[in-house]
Amino acid sequence: QKEVEQNSGPLSVPEGAIASLNCTYSDRVSQSFFWYRQYSGKSPELIMSIYSNGDKEDGRFTAQLNKASQYVSLLIRDSQPSDSATYLCAVNIGLGSNTGKLIFGQGTTLQVKP
Amino acid sequence: KAGVTQTPRYLIKTRGQQVTLSCSPISGHRSVSWYQQTPGQGLQFLFEYFSETQRNKGNFPGRFSGRQFSNSRSEMNVSTLELGDSALYLCASSLLGAGANVLTFGAGSRLTVL
Repeated sequence: QKEVEQNSGPLSVPEGAIASLNCTYSDRVSQSFFWYRQYSGKSPELIMSIYSNGDKEDGRFTAQLNKASQYVSLLIRDSQPSDSATYLCAVNIGLGSNTGKLIFGQGTTLQVKP
Repeated sequence: KAGVTQTPRYLIKTRGQQVTLSCSPISGHRSVSWYQQTPGQGLQFLFEYFSETQRNKGNFPGRFSGRQFSNSRSEMNVSTLELGDSALYLCASSLLGAGANVLTFGAGSRLTVL
């Protein structure tokens, strides 16, 4: 079992729809969770970080964390063609979350069709 | 505020050669992490340096090494290059602190091994 798993997609949604991206992780004691967006040929950029159970909203983006189910998701409301990219879920596996060591999922490719 | 700067951006080497990549973190960031990104394996953690000391190391052979200088700049070295070392090498810096392990990535160094 991979430490961080994502559906590789592609996930295709029409413009204006809600895109739902999911991620599961294996280590129950993980404490820090991140969503990065990566455009083709570019480096990853942080979209959201979440540390506590529940929802965290930032503009059109909402991250959801359920530690009991070892599940983290990202919702993108009113999806735009400019949201088309690969979305990477990253987790600080285990205790000692205050480090630069993240485990990344393989990424989900999102396509937003005009 | 300048971002994370990586040099060189592109390089081509042949098998058996060695390569050194450089990373200048965001001013004030003392943690520098290195990642390898390939289409097959995704983003994989190489190592992390903080205050000139290696804090974490990923599952890569000893041909991969790094160091950090007193000004927080970091270098990574790959010796005896193999074809499979062709990848995008990403450097990320972070402040570290309570809940502050957010990584900011540089543009990357794309290495091609022939």
